[in-house]
Amino acid sequence: GAVVSQHPSRVICKSGTSVKIECRSLDFQATTMFWYRQFPKQSLMLMATSNEGSKATYEQGVEKDKFLINHASLTLSTLTVTSAHPEDSSFYICSAREGVMETQYFGPGTRLLVL
Amino acid sequence: QKEVEQDPGPLSVPEGAIVSLNCTYSNSAFQYFMWYRQYSRKGPELLMYTYSSGNKEDGRFTAQVDKSSKYISLFIRDSQPSDSATYLCAMIVPQAGTALIFGKGTTLSVSS
Repeated sequence: GAVVSQHPSRVICKSGTSVKIECRSLDFQATTMFWYRQFPKQSLMLMATSNEGSKATYEQGVEKDKFLINHASLTLSTLTVTSAHPEDSSFYICSAREGVMETQYFGPGTRLLVL
Repeated sequence: QKEVEQDPGPLSVPEGAIVSLNCTYSNSAFQYFMWYRQYSRKGPELLMYTYSSGNKEDGRFTAQVDKSSKYISLFIRDSQPSDSATYLCAMIVPQAGTALIFGKGTTLSVSS
């Protein structure tokens, strides 16, 4: 199956700092990438959908100025958590899809802890 | 009513048992159905992907889709302790920009 990588796998930062998470599709071109967050023992919550070269579409309740998404190429999307606070601590997972008729493949996730 | 309903469990079975995991959905526009397995602190891993009613088999796993009843199932034969994980059903309306809609996930524990 297709491979999606995420970096870093784990990050600890101080409150008020910004954190960037990278998501890469390694062996296919991802026309669409998705960002999810997941709290312990809960399901995946879609944060935003991004198409290469266009602005991301955010789900209701997700602050676009706080969670900056850039999908600069067909293999790379980044999520920047700006001015992170302890309540932003979560497991962030990206996924990528090659085309409308294709399924989504997930990255291994990034665990963010804001102190 | 949520678009996708899935019993969160937990479901505990002995090694070797047959496991049945199920989801129901309300949106008849869903056309593609997937099952993902997620181990603790890991990203979801795609197990099965189907788009038509009927059964699809892959090793010990069988995915079943009944579009008339809006019901999908995943069967695991000869379950192993390594199958202990959370299983998420997911489905999608195949249009540009749409994302998978997930069930809440069922936590499975297989004891040896």
